[in-house]
Amino acid sequence: DTEVTQTPKHLVMGMTNKKSLKCEQHMGHRAMYWYKQKAKKPPELMFVYSYEKLSINESVPSRFSPECPNSSLLNLHLHALQPEDSALYLCASSLMAAGANVLTFGAGSRLTVL
Amino acid sequence: GQQVMQIPQYQHVQEGEDFTTYCNSSTTLSNIQWYKQRPGGHPVFLIQLVKSGEVKKQKRLTFQFGEAKKNSSLHITATQTTDVGTYFCAGLRNFNKFYFGSGTKLNVKP
Repeated sequence: DTEVTQTPKHLVMGMTNKKSLKCEQHMGHRAMYWYKQKAKKPPELMFVYSYEKLSINESVPSRFSPECPNSSLLNLHLHALQPEDSALYLCASSLMAAGANVLTFGAGSRLTVL
Repeated sequence: GQQVMQIPQYQHVQEGEDFTTYCNSSTTLSNIQWYKQRPGGHPVFLIQLVKSGEVKKQKRLTFQFGEAKKNSSLHITATQTTDVGTYFCAGLRNFNKFYFGSGTKLNVKP
């Protein structure tokens, strides 16, 4: 299995809703990432988990809450989001978090905040 | 602010023409990777360059890493419609952070 699976593919939520994005990989990768991508822009790093521990938080607002229940799963909990948070949220994994490692991306979850 | 810049932002070519995108960093990079994102898709890894002055080829694609490890280029010979997409470089800095370049969107007219 060489894939990163993200669910849901599309999500529409109101500013008062609580929702979660999910990501799963079974490649034995020990690093997992959340990226945010706005239209016509490059992916922006949000969080990095290494060996199930949060190692990087790129000053992301607390309305985004990541969780890594085990080495194969990564969640992004969403609460009280703003319309400007609408974007494609990409999950990625790599063998390790440090050094030169290839990122394998999931297909993304396209989020619309009304 | 943006730490890895790419030029051009957009490139429209006729099928069969060549295409080059350039990636420039303000600081030295440990290594650089290139990704391709098709319209509506997600980034897919193409190649990684580690050594100063390194050149790698994949069929019609040629990748180069600058001598100072601050710039890189991707050249496509004789473009095809399947080459359409946005090409991103991603530079490794601070040992564990990849910074994506601004991207070059390639459109190929048949």
